[in-house]
Amino acid sequence: EPEVTQTPSHQVTQMGQEVILRCVPISNHLYFYWYRQILGQKVEFLVSFYNNEISEKSEIFDDQFSVERPDGSNFTLKIRSTKLEDSAMYFCASSERKTSGRDTQYFGPGTRLTVL
Amino acid sequence: AQSVAQPEDQVNVAEGNPLTVKCTYSVSGNPYLFWYVQYPNRGLQFLLKYITGDNLVKGSYGFEAEFNKSQTSFHLKKPSALVSDSALYFCAVRDLTNFGNEKLTFGTGTRLTIIP
Repeated sequence: EPEVTQTPSHQVTQMGQEVILRCVPISNHLYFYWYRQILGQKVEFLVSFYNNEISEKSEIFDDQFSVERPDGSNFTLKIRSTKLEDSAMYFCASSERKTSGRDTQYFGPGTRLTVL
Repeated sequence: AQSVAQPEDQVNVAEGNPLTVKCTYSVSGNPYLFWYVQYPNRGLQFLLKYITGDNLVKGSYGFEAEFNKSQTSFHLKKPSALVSDSALYFCAVRDLTNFGNEKLTFGTGTRLTIIP
């Protein structure tokens, strides 16, 4: 069964450093998402991406964040200058682009980001 | 706006007994409802969803959920719990009427523990 994969599983970085989190969505999916889960809190939407542009973003997704689909398979989340409060589990998800809009989002295993 | 409430942080059930994990939602339009499960060190796995039609939806691993529009609830159920069902369960909602809204809003999660 096709799965969303994410690398690395755990990333440790110093405050102020740039990090790039990588995701490989399910191959025939056209919609991509990033969510995050701060320890002990709920899963929060960050951004959705379709047709090589951001479709929707939350207030969390400020100028420090960016997303990119650099090739036909990868989808990345970049945090330019990490802060302590960026420490969280980051989940990538993907879905088909159904004309009804009734997509199911399938999630990857997550990348745990620790900012020291 | 869309929101989800999972009123119980923890649910304990004896193996073989029926289980219920509660979820209530709020959307301004028509809800698109999901249950996801998270096992330790794994991502969010899709269990089941409700869009329209039969209020009782069946999903993976013998789980089912009942949509109740008047109570704005979408409780997850299973007739006979297994120890392997022990995990963290998340309810999520998306407002289908709000075209262009792709984000899922998650509840805070309920930790289900099945006692042998």
